[in-house]
Amino acid sequence: EAGVVQSPRYKIIEKKQPVAFWCNPISGHNTLYWYRQNLGQGPELLIRYENEEAVDDSQLPKDRFSAERLKGVDSTLKIQPAELGDSAVYLCASSFGDPANTGELFFGEGSRLTVL
Amino acid sequence: AQSVTQPDIHITVSEGASLELRCNYSYGATPYLFWYVQSPGQGLQLLLKYFSGDTLVQGIKGFEAEFKRSQSSFNLRKPSVHWSDAAEYFCAVGDGNKLVFGAGTILRVKS
Repeated sequence: EAGVVQSPRYKIIEKKQPVAFWCNPISGHNTLYWYRQNLGQGPELLIRYENEEAVDDSQLPKDRFSAERLKGVDSTLKIQPAELGDSAVYLCASSFGDPANTGELFFGEGSRLTVL
Repeated sequence: AQSVTQPDIHITVSEGASLELRCNYSYGATPYLFWYVQSPGQGLQLLLKYFSGDTLVQGIKGFEAEFKRSQSSFNLRKPSVHWSDAAEYFCAVGDGNKLVFGAGTILRVKS
């Protein structure tokens, strides 16, 4: 069974440019998460989807970040325009239902963004 | 807000030695607790989880963790470390339908 797939793995852009990250969750997982992991820190939630609905986007900087999960399967996270402080690893994860009940989030390998 | 503290940024142990990684949490109710491992260039992988019941939980790769409510701790242990255990370890607490992670502890294994 394929795991969570993310692309691109690495992206280097100049500030003020746009960037997009794509995530395909594990088949059948209705919950999808985008986390941001800054250097030397743990992952922090940006947004959580239940199917195609964003149910927790309180930590998403909405002035420059947007996300979508149109058909309740794969998802795209966009940053426009990017700032130097956006350099981080963007992790996508999926789960079947509430991880507090199922016990596990499955993570992709992440997309490492460098903003110059 | 729920939070997780991992006091040790780096830990170095000799191969074959025992290991304990510390984790303290802040949570108002009975917590759901997790340990994840992240090898370089890889995604996070679940090692073990605690929901309820026996406070000593067993995980994959020979790891175990003990939940101590009185100390608000969930420390990860392994009796004999292998070189392949070198990675970054994250403790997390379930908060509603998401996980809140600590800052991580980098484990180095010396031969």
